[in-house]
Amino acid sequence: QQQVKQSPQSLIVQKGGISIINCAYENTAFDYFPWYQQFPGKGPALLIAIRPDVSEKKEGRFTISFNKSAKQFSLHIMDSQPGDSATYFCAARLYYTSGTYKYIFGTGTRLKVLA
Amino acid sequence: NAGVMQNPRHLVRRRGQEARLRCSPMKGHSHVYWYRQLPEEGLKFMVYLQKENIIDESGMPKERFSAEFPKEGPSILRIQQVVRGDSAAYFCASSQDRARYEQYFGPGTRLTVT
Repeated sequence: QQQVKQSPQSLIVQKGGISIINCAYENTAFDYFPWYQQFPGKGPALLIAIRPDVSEKKEGRFTISFNKSAKQFSLHIMDSQPGDSATYFCAARLYYTSGTYKYIFGTGTRLKVLA
Repeated sequence: NAGVMQNPRHLVRRRGQEARLRCSPMKGHSHVYWYRQLPEEGLKFMVYLQKENIIDESGMPKERFSAEFPKEGPSILRIQQVVRGDSAAYFCASSQDRARYEQYFGPGTRLTVT
């Protein structure tokens, strides 16, 4: 129940195309859903995030779509660029009634944008 | 306005030695998380600490691994008697408090066990 399932495992997109990465979860106690971008040899960097009371959030070329009833959320990268080539992780924050929390990560999607 | 600091960035240890990984959270952050990332895999949660307390260590192997976050100084992830299977990238992340959702990662320590 604490899993976050991410797909696809890898994705190849032409420059200018739309990259779509999907994640699904089961636990309704998750209260925050960030996406991270990781380049080889670097730590993950927070890209964009959404709370479950919002259905969509857009920041520049990056959009999160959130479907609470389906327990799914996705990252859309519009006008994909070669510089977007990286590994993307979705995550979900699990909030405990004790006031503490932890993050559960998806398995990652390796995106390659062809020039 | 320094971010999360981790050192060393690369660490080579022989089997049986000890590895100590250090993490200094962002200024003002009192929550620290450690994750392990194997090559071509995702991030696996290991342990969650607040100052002087271990909150959740459900992802930590029962033997050889320990973590601390003292009142003063960085958080330490300690691996005793390392084995080849411990070779991985270890990332530390920090967050401010429960009202602040964001979690920020350090650059990681890449441990190689020979």
